[in-house]
This record gives sequence, structure tokens and C-alpha cells, in this order.
Amino acid sequence: GQQLNQSPQSMFIQEGEDVSMNCTSSSIFNTWLWYKQDPGEGPVLLIALYKAGELTSNGRLTAQFGITRKDSFLNISASIPSDVGIYFCAGPPARGSRLTFGEGTQLTVNP
Amino acid sequence: GAGVSQSPSNKVTEKGKDVELRCDPISGHTALYWYRQSLGQGLEFLIYFQGNSAPDKSGLPSDRFSAERTGGSVSTLTIQRTQQEDSAVYLCASSLGLAYSYEQYFGPGTRLTVT
Repeated sequence: GQQLNQSPQSMFIQEGEDVSMNCTSSSIFNTWLWYKQDPGEGPVLLIALYKAGELTSNGRLTAQFGITRKDSFLNISASIPSDVGIYFCAGPPARGSRLTFGEGTQLTVNP
Repeated sequence: GAGVSQSPSNKVTEKGKDVELRCDPISGHTALYWYRQSLGQGLEFLIYFQGNSAPDKSGLPSDRFSAERTGGSVSTLTIQRTQQEDSAVYLCASSLGLAYSYEQYFGPGTRLTVT
């Protein structure tokens, strides 16, 4: 089935640093979603992107829908310890199909 | 409003026993999804319900797994004759339906441990 490749798989950063992660697909996506999963919880929707080139912010988080429609990026500015968790990208590989999820980026923030 | 709820939050069972996991979706959401997540891994799709349509069961790993959705609302995932490899977190999500939105909202999950 359709695969979404997320990178990096894991990140270890210091509090206050900026973070960037991305998600790529071999085919065109019309929607990109970014989720965060805290330890022991279900994933929570952070940002939804619906248009190529779109740049959307949610507090310190900014996500972009790549212009090729085959990738998306998530940036976190001035990281804090509560940013720790797994970040998943997701999108429908075809119009009207259910979401495919990436394998996740595990973020660790050292105080 | 209320989010997706799942019960129980934790379940420990002996190998060979049957278990039932419950999901209450967000009111008005016509689509419901079940996923499985092993420790430190990604989300493995299991089954998808959309309204009155036949469910997409393509992700169920074996015939020991089944799911129902009664009245278009509550769903139950049943695992028969549990095996140790069934140990994982089982997540449920709901959405307005693919005709309206791809955005899925997740419950907190049920952590299943098979001893």
C-alpha cells in the first residue's frame, strides 16, 4: 500500500531549540494532517493542510503543504519539555480514501 | 463536547481468552476506525466503518479479529483466543465521514496485555 516516509525517525534536542521534520510520499496528496501523540494517549490533531503551498500555524507549530504536493513539513519553534511525543503525518492517498499514516518522528526535549 | 471514549483503558487477559474492546465515537460522526499500535511503533489500520456501508476489514490481521458497529454509533472490537502477539494499544478514531472531512479524532486507547 501507499507509504508515507517520515524523517527523522527520532530527534533529541535541547529546550529552546527549533525543530523541523518532514513527510514525503511517492504520489500526490490533496490533504496533509499532522498529529501529536503524548505518551499513553491517543494522537491529537495539530494542523490540517488542504492546499499546495499552504502555510498554517498553531502556536509555536508551523506546517507547510509542499508545492509538489508530495511532501509536508512541520516546524516547532523554541521547543519546551511538553513538546515530547511522537509526531505523525497523515494523508489520503487518493481522493475519498481513508488516511495513511507515517511511521512517526519521536521527539525528545532535554531541559 | 465529548470526545471519543474507549473502554476499558487497560485490559490484562490470559492467552486463549476472548476480549471485547469498546469505542464511543463523537456524536454525529459517521465514520469510525480501529487501529493497533505496538510499543514504539506506528498506527496499524484494522477496520473502518462508514455509515451503513459494508465495513473495510482489509486491515484485520486474522479471523480471530472482528468488529461490529451497532446503530451507527458504538463499536466493539472482539479478539478471540488471544495470543501474546495481540498485546498492544488499540486506538479508535471517528470522523465526519470521507465525503466531508479527512480529520480523524482519536480516543485514549485500550492497552491490552496478553499473559
